[in-house]
Parts: sequence; structure tokens; C-alpha cells
Amino acid sequence: SQTIHQWPATLVQPVGSPLSLECTVEGTSNPNLYWYRQAAGRGLQLLFYSVGIGQISSEVPQNLSASRPQDRQFILSSKKLLLSDSGFYLCAWSVTLVHEQFFGPGTRLTVL
Amino acid sequence: TQLLEQSPQFLSIQEGENLTVYCNSSSVFSSLQWYRQEPGEGPVLLVTVVTGGEVKKLKRLTFQFGDARKDSSLHITAAQPGDTGLYLCAGAGGFQKLVFGTGTRLLVSP
Repeated sequence: SQTIHQWPATLVQPVGSPLSLECTVEGTSNPNLYWYRQAAGRGLQLLFYSVGIGQISSEVPQNLSASRPQDRQFILSSKKLLLSDSGFYLCAWSVTLVHEQFFGPGTRLTVL
Repeated sequence: TQLLEQSPQFLSIQEGENLTVYCNSSSVFSSLQWYRQEPGEGPVLLVTVVTGGEVKKLKRLTFQFGDARKDSSLHITAAQPGDTGLYLCAGAGGFQKLVFGTGTRLLVSP
């Protein structure tokens, strides 16, 4: 069966510090991968998605970047965090861009 | 750009009450999914509807896809505290990626 992992689960970082969130998927090959951000009590904001290794599509211009160094690994990064980067970050995978998405447990990021 | 508006944004009810959540768009979707997200966790798929007019039931939850495939509704009968969470619809159209709705937060009090 397929599983998706995210770490860390929670993170508190000062403004201006770098960020690296990691997501890995097991049990499937060549998945589509996604990074979402969710503000408290709100819907999902798609940040990046990837249909293959090294292929990244950005949905929202921002302080963040994404990379996919391996087939089942997706990384969200920032060189300098802003207060507005705080939120709940979710990674997800799917078989195709329109099929069901399976979400990871999320990372709660607080920037102080 | 395809947009999915959900209403209401927030709903607070007592245990045992019925409720309906709506998901509307001006675009046509080939299929529509409903997810539920509990606090601190990722969303989990509840159902996918693919045919205009389709009705699917999942215990006390009834999902309907509009005849024109532009809208959908989720009806919960006799809501329970365990139904509390964020409900998200998501639409698939053509060759574009899945689009998520704005979300409805449901609170069911004992």
C-alpha cells in the first residue's frame, strides 16, 4: 500500500531563517506531487506541483521554492522566512493531475 | 480559471440536526470529489461523483452532482460530533489539475 510521510511535524523558526520541509511517498512510482499551504480554518492554497523528477510548476509567486530530486521525494524550501509564511503545509500525491489526492499528515510552521 | 465556491463558510449546529453544504462553479467539471479534514490532519477523500445528476450515499452523508456538472451538494442527516471538520469539494475538468473549493467548516456540538 502507498504511504506519504512529511517531516517535521511542527517547526518554529525565526524570521529570516531558512526552511526545508521534506515529503516522501512509498509504494508507488512516478506520482504527481503537490505542496499546499493552509491558513487556520481556511481552504487549501496550491503552492507547487510536480509531474516528474526536476519538473516543478509554481502556482503562486512567493518566498518559497520546491525541488524534486528523486521520483518520490518533494522538498519545499525558503532562503529567508517571512512572518506570512506561517501556516499548515500539506504534501499530497496522486496518480494523475485529476485523480484523488492523498495527503500527508502536514507540518505546522510558525515564524516568529 | 475554474473556481469552486462553497457555502456556508462556517456552520455550527447541535447534534441531531441536518445540514447541507454547497459547492458551486460557473465551469463544468468531469468529476467532483468531496474531502473531510479533521484538525491537524490532511484531508481524506469521502466520495467521487462523475455523472450529472448522480447521487451517492455514505451512511448519513448524501452527495449529489448537479445535472449540468457545475455544482454539488453534501447533505448530512442527524449530524454527530464526529462529523466536525473542514469539508472540501474538488473538481476535475478537462486536462487541468484538480481544483479545490474554498471549504466549509462544520462544528457539531453535543
